[in-house]
Order: sequence, then structure tokens, then C-alpha cells
Amino acid sequence: DAKTTQPNSMESNEEEPVHLPCNHSTISGTDYIHWYRQLPSQGPEYVIHGLTSNVNNRMASLAIAEDRKSSTLILHRATLRDAAVYYCILRDVAGTASKLTFGTGTRLQVTL
Amino acid sequence: SQTIHQWPATLVQPVGSPLSLECTVEGTSNPNLYWYRQAAGRGLQLLFYSVGIGQISSEVPQNLSASRPQDRQFILSSKKLLLSDSGFYLCAWIPDLAGGMETQYFGPGTRLLVL
Repeated sequence: DAKTTQPNSMESNEEEPVHLPCNHSTISGTDYIHWYRQLPSQGPEYVIHGLTSNVNNRMASLAIAEDRKSSTLILHRATLRDAAVYYCILRDVAGTASKLTFGTGTRLQVTL
Repeated sequence: SQTIHQWPATLVQPVGSPLSLECTVEGTSNPNLYWYRQAAGRGLQLLFYSVGIGQISSEVPQNLSASRPQDRQFILSSKKLLLSDSGFYLCAWIPDLAGGMETQYFGPGTRLLVL
């Protein structure tokens, strides 16, 4: 799976939007962009994924650049419960469902 | 619905002792299964994955091994634990579908402390 680059940490105030960036300049045309988050002392959980178009679900929005070399996870109103490590991962749509490699992610701190 | 179980939840073991962690998945057939380890304050390291019974791929050479004796059972083992084996061990699964859109589901994890 192709490599992604994320900032190590970000801070946000509660009730404000948060934009978490991810660079994936070596993305291929068949790679899906996935986001997971890991709350303290828990396993990662799925947040959202997309291929080319922007995506929305009840947890977040995913904005994908036109050239697909970067994407942004958007939390519309951060809460204290959103404090977690957020991972951006690429998954090859054409490959076997074999390896999934997580980077170090972005640690999001949310303050009152 | 599908669920994933891991046990034990926590474990304290002396250096040199054996290890066996178990992971089971319910509500699905022929899942792809994964073992990850997360050292304190670090990211997830993929240890092993399996696409079927008896099929194990190792990502990191070390004193750990994995086995898949049944379709929905994945076991992580060691004959002799090292201090560096301490960490948070996570089991995960993906449906047996070709394609990159599948969601990966993680278990609750086992926190291992080797003393």
C-alpha cells in the first residue's frame, strides 16, 4: 500500500471545525483513501473512506483533492470525545485484501 | 451482526515465559485476519495476516508466531517472551472480498506487560 504523510499532532477548541490533512503523493488510480481513529486504550475504528468524490457520513466529511494527492478529514464540530489519533491509509481496490499498514497518525487534542 | 473477541484483556508475564493470545470472529465466513502490536505511545505495527485456514504471512521477523486452526480463529504465540514484546496487541478482520473499500474491524485488544 502507498505511503501517507500526516502531521504528528493538532489542537482544536471544542465546538469548532477541525481539518486533518493527509498527503499521499504516490497514490495510484485504484487506491481508496481510508480514515480510522483510535481512542485512548481502544482499537482503531473506521471513520470514513472515499475514492475520488468528497464523502459525508454521520461522523465526518472527507475532502479529496482533484489530483487525489492529498485529502482532508473534516470534523464539523469537535467534541472532547473526538480526542484521538487519526490515521489516513490507502487501500488498493485491485489488490488482495492482504496488508494494511498504519502510519503514526495525527494526535488530535480537543480543549474546552 | 459480526463481532470480534480477544482474550485475555490484560496479561502480565515474566521474561522467558510462553504466550498465547486468542482472537475469534463471529458472524462472518472466511475473513482476512490480522495481528497488530502497538508499543506505548507508538503507531500500529502489522505482525501477521491470514487470508485463510493455515495461511499465515509474517511481516516482522521476531520471536512471535501466528496460527489459524479454524476459519474464524487466529492465535498469536511465543515460546519465550522478551521485554520488548510488551505492548497492546490488536486483532482485526476484513470481509473476504476483493477490493479496497472494505472496512477493517478491530477487537478490544490485549495489553501485555512482560517483566
